[in-house]
This record gives sequence, C-alpha cells and structure tokens, in this order.
Amino acid sequence: QKEVEQNSGPLSVPEGAIASLNCTYSDRGSQSFFWYRQYSGKSPELIMSIYSNGDKEDGRFTAQLNKASQYVSLLIRDSQPSDSATYLCAVGNTGGFKTIFGAGTRLFVKA
Amino acid sequence: GAGVSQSPSNKVTEKGKDVELRCDPISGHTALYWYRQSLGQGLEFLIYFQGNSAPDKSGLPSDRFSAERTGGSVSTLTIQRTQQEDSAVYLCASSLDGRGQETQYFGPGTRLLVL
Repeated sequence: QKEVEQNSGPLSVPEGAIASLNCTYSDRGSQSFFWYRQYSGKSPELIMSIYSNGDKEDGRFTAQLNKASQYVSLLIRDSQPSDSATYLCAVGNTGGFKTIFGAGTRLFVKA
Repeated sequence: GAGVSQSPSNKVTEKGKDVELRCDPISGHTALYWYRQSLGQGLEFLIYFQGNSAPDKSGLPSDRFSAERTGGSVSTLTIQRTQQEDSAVYLCASSLDGRGQETQYFGPGTRLLVL
C-alpha cells in the first residue's frame, strides 16, 4: 500500500479555470504536508506547506487539509499555461524527519 | 551558497563501473536527503543525513549504494558496479534541521545513464 497517493493524471483544464489536485495519505499521525511543483526536466520546488486543518491561501494557490479524512488538496485559481507541470504531494511522517512523496499529478493548462 | 548544488549534472557510464555523485547543501542546513527519480516517476527516498550521521538508510536499493557526508556539509553518493536499472535522476535536497516539518530545497540533480 502506497503511503501517499495521487491521481497521476494528466489533468487538463482550460486557461482561467480552477485546477483541483488531490492527495491521500495513510499515516494518521502525519503532521506536515507540502505541495511541490516540478517542471519537466527540473527539480521540485515548494509551492505550499500546511500543518493545520482547513484552508491556507497564497495568491492563486489554496491548500486544503482534512486530517480526519487523511486528505490534502491544492486548488489553483485562474490557471495559466505556465502552471503546466507535475505537482507532488509530500507528507512529513511521525518519525520526525522523513518526508514521503507521492508520484505526482501532471497538470496541463490549455491556452 | 545560494542554493543546493550537485555535480556532475550529467553522467554516462558503462555497466559495471563505479560512480560518485556529489551534493553541496545550502550553507547552515544540517539535514541532507538523497532521492532517485526514474523517468516519469515520483521521488524515491534513498538516505537522510542529520549532520554527518545517517539515521535512516532504509531507502538504499542495495549494498552497491553507499553515501557519506563530511564536515556536516558535502555529501557523496556512490554506486558501485552500476547496472542499467540505476539510470535515473539523482536529486539531493537540504533543510534547516530535518525535523520533517520543513521545506526541502532541491538541487538540479544528476542525470545518470548506465549503458
């Protein structure tokens, strides 16, 4: 059983639409949650981190966390072609140092 | 330094040869991580360093893989007797103190091709 699961996609949305990316995790004691963006041929870079239940907004990005459902999501409003990338969900485990990454969801934003 | 650096950026080697991959973390970061990413796949955790010690080596795929870190800074990942399945991008990341609730900053990666 995978510890962090994401739909591999690709998820295709038109420019200006809302892209919704989802992630579930198995370790109920997880305390830290991250979304990284990875452009093709590049390294992952952090977009958002979230530690408490609820929503966290940063510009066009909103991370949502529901620990009871073991679910974390990323919403991208007013999607742009430049948002086309693979989005990696990462979860900090209860061991304290190890971050488990999902396989990523590929997002295509059509102009 | 300004960010995590890795060298070489690309490495082509023949099956059976040994390779060394280097990572230079952000200055002051005590935690250092190695991951492997095969084409179109997610990140596979290999090893984690806190300072010079490696509390978790559970991700190393086989005894052909080893890593060390000296001076709490530079780390070297060594792959002995390389196999074609070792071909991947090897990513290094560092974080401030490795408590698992921090951002990891990634280097550009080393693209390894084993012929």
